[in-house]
Amino acid sequence: DQQVKQNSPSLSVQEGRISILNCDYTNSMFDYFLWYKKYPAEGPTFLISISSIKDKNEDGRFTVFLNKSAKHLSLHIVPSQPGDSAVYFCAARNTGGFKTIFGAGTRLFVKA
Amino acid sequence: NAGVTQTPKFRVLKTGQSMTLLCAQDMNHEYMYWYRQDPGMGLRLIHYSVGEGTTAKGEVPDGYNVSRLKKQNFLLGLESAAPSQTSVYFCASSPVAGMTQYFGPGTRLLVL
Repeated sequence: DQQVKQNSPSLSVQEGRISILNCDYTNSMFDYFLWYKKYPAEGPTFLISISSIKDKNEDGRFTVFLNKSAKHLSLHIVPSQPGDSAVYFCAARNTGGFKTIFGAGTRLFVKA
Repeated sequence: NAGVTQTPKFRVLKTGQSMTLLCAQDMNHEYMYWYRQDPGMGLRLIHYSVGEGTTAKGEVPDGYNVSRLKKQNFLLGLESAAPSQTSVYFCASSPVAGMTQYFGPGTRLLVL
């Protein structure tokens, strides 16, 4: 049973437009959410996070929105750049837990 | 400051052979993790450690053993490799449980 779901395996966006990556979760005990970015042949790198007490967190071109009632979060990238082409993983942590649960990832293609 | 390093980068094993994957971090992090990444499955936690001398099972621990004899090193062992263990293995560390993790570059393992 996947507790963190990224239902879109891939997404293609034109350079300069907005990229929206979605993530759904099932466990209401998750209290912290993270997005990681991964390029081929490299390890994932942390991108942005949000605590469950917030509904939005912004860092430059990247914004994460959290809708707790819908158990849904999304990552917005504005404007998208070709260098943003990568796999994006959504992840979540249980309250007081040591483990992080990852989604299956969404591959973003940004076309020049 | 190398961050998280993993050795080897790539390995081919025959079914039944054993091997050890080494992870080292120079950030003095308490928490360390081993994940495997398979197509369509995201990152799945194999084992983790909350400090030197401690280890615990993750989501998919069967067929693997780990040791954390020194704070900076986390070893993942395969006693008798199986084709189902063909995967890319990532090690990660974090200063706080479940928060931002820093990943190594990965080890690609092929079991024939």
